[in-house]
Amino acid sequence: EIVLTQSPGTLSLSPGERATLSCRASQSVAKNYLAWYQQKPGQAPRLLIYDASTTATGCPDRFSGSGSGTDFTLTISGLEPEDFAVYYCQQYATSPLTFGQGTQLEIK
Amino acid sequence: EVQLVDSGGGLVQPGGSLRLSCAASGFSFSTYWMNWVRQAPGKGLEWVANIKQDGSGKYYVDSVKGRFIISRDNAQNSLYLQMNSLRAEDTAVYYCAGGPGWLITSWGQGTLVTVSS
Repeated sequence: EIVLTQSPGTLSLSPGERATLSCRASQSVAKNYLAWYQQKPGQAPRLLIYDASTTATGCPDRFSGSGSGTDFTLTISGLEPEDFAVYYCQQYATSPLTFGQGTQLEIK
Repeated sequence: EVQLVDSGGGLVQPGGSLRLSCAASGFSFSTYWMNWVRQAPGKGLEWVANIKQDGSGKYYVDSVKGRFIISRDNAQNSLYLQMNSLRAEDTAVYYCAGGPGWLITSWGQGTLVTVSS
């Protein structure tokens, strides 16, 4: 099983700032099959990034993903009020599919 | 527009059974891998199981193997999760989710399962 570890657990920033979220895998993620999801309270998750760096349809271009192998990053440039939420990384290369524990992005 | 509507959640006693359903519309259901993902109250996301487009391949997380069964009916555009021998730790919101491969692109709204006496 691939274990995904996200850091930090909580990130406190102000609107307009840049957010950098990390996701580290316990072993290499084949084909960089790594996705990022955003989840707001009471809602289902929403796909933002897949294949580590491809932006999903409808995702604002201030969201970008990078990384390969075992180290991946989600960057949000110029935080908007609606961006404050929980973010999860997930690998879909091998079964069982696994999620990171999440990063809570909160308003400072 | 892809739409997934989860149903079937509720309160069940430990050791009991429950069957979740998911009604799909707005896309070609038979071309999607389908999944169940759960989220315990206040916790993160946990993938539970998935099923191949034609139902010939099924995968489960270890904690539910032998207790849960995922199935689908492509003629009815429906996904199911039969949950047996339920435990308190199975308490969660269960999401139906799917995509053209193992990548999950679409999610249902979730249905709450509470296992308690």
